[in-house]
Amino acid sequence: EDQVTQSPEALRLQEGESSSLNCSYTVSGLRGLFWYRQDPGKGPEFLFTLYSAGEEKEKERLKATLTKKESFLHITAPKPEDSATYLCAVQASGNQFYFGTGTSLTVIP
Amino acid sequence: DAGVIQSPRHEVTEMGQEVTLRCKPISGHNSLFWYRQTMMRGLELLIYFNNNVPIDDSGMPEDRFSAKMPNASFSTLKIQPSEPRDSAVYFCASSQRTTIYFGEGSWLTVV
Repeated sequence: EDQVTQSPEALRLQEGESSSLNCSYTVSGLRGLFWYRQDPGKGPEFLFTLYSAGEEKEKERLKATLTKKESFLHITAPKPEDSATYLCAVQASGNQFYFGTGTSLTVIP
Repeated sequence: DAGVIQSPRHEVTEMGQEVTLRCKPISGHNSLFWYRQTMMRGLELLIYFNNNVPIDDSGMPEDRFSAKMPNASFSTLKIQPSEPRDSAVYFCASSQRTTIYFGEGSWLTVV
């Protein structure tokens, strides 16, 4: 069964305390893995797409990596404005998209 | 680009009333998705269209829900009659090949 699991459900970090969010997936024929950021009251905002194992993408303090079974979103020296829910999604070979339930990140000043 | 545009942003309605949510996808995108998000179930795919044709509507909860896409720039999601358990945020999203871009959502409360 195709599925996406994100962990942890919630994460509290001190400002400057680096950490990683995990997205584990089982899917038939991965076409792409996506990371989104969602702020309260807003729609998910696209961050990264990863297509194959070993690929990495970076944007400011965020870096996404991909293996054959999971993806990590590394947050380096986070700031309070990085507080949000981070969603992971995968696209299967049949074009279906599967979303995880997200990790709620709080960065404390 | 204006992004995916949804209306209304907020809707409060009484149980039994008809609700219509509207979406304008990003110009040039050929796939359109309707999602529902709740605290309990996260993001759920309700239906998606490709080139204006419904491809997968297996996520539509029941016959009270219907969706149409009469042309490449407009789609509606209708709930008739609405029930309190339909209260959620409904997102429309569109894509050209792979990456999905979301609208700001329609916050529906059925009382």
